[in-house]
Amino acid sequence: DTEVTQTPKHLVMGMTNKKSLKCEQHMGHRAMYWYKQKAKKPPELMFVYSYEKLSINESVPSRFSPECPNSSLLNLHLHALQPEDSALYLCASSQEEGFAAHLDEQFFGPGTRLTVL
Amino acid sequence: AQTVTQSQPEMSVQEAETVTLSCTYDTSENNYYLFWYKQPPSRQMILVIRQEAYKQQNATENRFSVNFQKAAKSFSLKISDSQLGDTAMYFCAFIGAGSYQLTFGKGTKLSVIP
Repeated sequence: DTEVTQTPKHLVMGMTNKKSLKCEQHMGHRAMYWYKQKAKKPPELMFVYSYEKLSINESVPSRFSPECPNSSLLNLHLHALQPEDSALYLCASSQEEGFAAHLDEQFFGPGTRLTVL
Repeated sequence: AQTVTQSQPEMSVQEAETVTLSCTYDTSENNYYLFWYKQPPSRQMILVIRQEAYKQQNATENRFSVNFQKAAKSFSLKISDSQLGDTAMYFCAFIGAGSYQLTFGKGTKLSVIP
């Protein structure tokens, strides 16, 4: 299985809603990532988890709350979002064993298209 | 900090022809990896090709090859025998040794014309 899956594919939410995005991989990867991608722009890194611990938080507002319940699963909890948070949210994973392993390919999921009304 | 520059926002190529997408980068690091990612309109980002900075030989993957010029900090992608399925956004990306931070260029939108 060389796949990263993300659910839901599309999500529409109001500014007062609470929702969650889910990402799953079964490749044994120990590094997992959340990216935000606006239309016609490159992905922007939000968070990195390494061995289920938060390694990097790129100064993301607290209305985005990541969670890594186990090595295969990564969630992004959303609360009180703004319309400007509407974007494609991509999850990715990569190996994390050995010195150079995390330089290996990042496998991306298909993304969740989020619209905040 | 690293920067990646893709100077061609959009390109088009006739089916079966060859096209080259350019990418330059700036870094003070000596050990790093470079990638070309493809993102078709269906959104899934997939790796096209990777290059290790310590390898002088240019990477190739079937119809895709790179021209890696380390001294010039240049990393162009050549697509031979272009196919309609090559229509996509192409991102050049850099990652330094010991880093999780994948730095992307702004992308080149490639259209393959029948």
